[in-house]
Amino acid sequence: NAGVTQTPKFRILKIGQSMTLQCTQDMNHNYMYWYRQDPGMGLKLIYYSVGAGITDKGEVPNGYNVSRSTTEDFPLRLELAAPSQTSVYFCASSYSPLKTGELFFGEGSRLTVL
Amino acid sequence: AQTVTQSQPEMSVQEAETVTLSCTYDTSESDYYLFWYKQPPSRQMILVIRQEAYKQQNATENRFSVNFQKAAKSFSLKISDSQLGDAAMYFCAYRAGNTPLVFGKGTRLSVIA
Repeated sequence: NAGVTQTPKFRILKIGQSMTLQCTQDMNHNYMYWYRQDPGMGLKLIYYSVGAGITDKGEVPNGYNVSRSTTEDFPLRLELAAPSQTSVYFCASSYSPLKTGELFFGEGSRLTVL
Repeated sequence: AQTVTQSQPEMSVQEAETVTLSCTYDTSESDYYLFWYKQPPSRQMILVIRQEAYKQQNATENRFSVNFQKAAKSFSLKISDSQLGDAAMYFCAYRAGNTPLVFGKGTRLSVIA
């Protein structure tokens, strides 16, 4: 059972470039999330989804876009990368909060924008 | 908006000793979940322990236990018999209803041999 898989694990971008962070889960979770973690800080929510076709903004959505065409996949797109987007990105998924509430995390993707 | 506060940016503990990490939260909900996650240098987020607010009994997982004070909105983590492998960032987190998890800023725990 792979759980939550993120790719790539590391990436260096130049200012103004675009890229997509991929996230897939095999636990049939309806809920999926993208967080970013800046050095020495906690996790801040970028976007989340409560099911296929439904997405919603989190605390820090500017500069990002998401889509949720299937239950398994929740890609995060960075448009016009900026140095402020240098961070570690975590994808996570969960059952309905009515079941257990806990999130299952991917291993993170370290993005550097130069 | 719900907030989670971890007032101790860094803590240290001697190997085999006990340490308590503090967490407070702000909510108007009566039913919610609280979590402690561990993040070692590998960056992986690992669930340590979970507490349902409707349960009065404090959760325990081996050497890890919590002191859940619902009225005071406090949720501290106690690590007994600390081991070198316990060194990590520890995040307190809160979740109610369908809302996403809200994290505190974390406490970095060092274990001294």
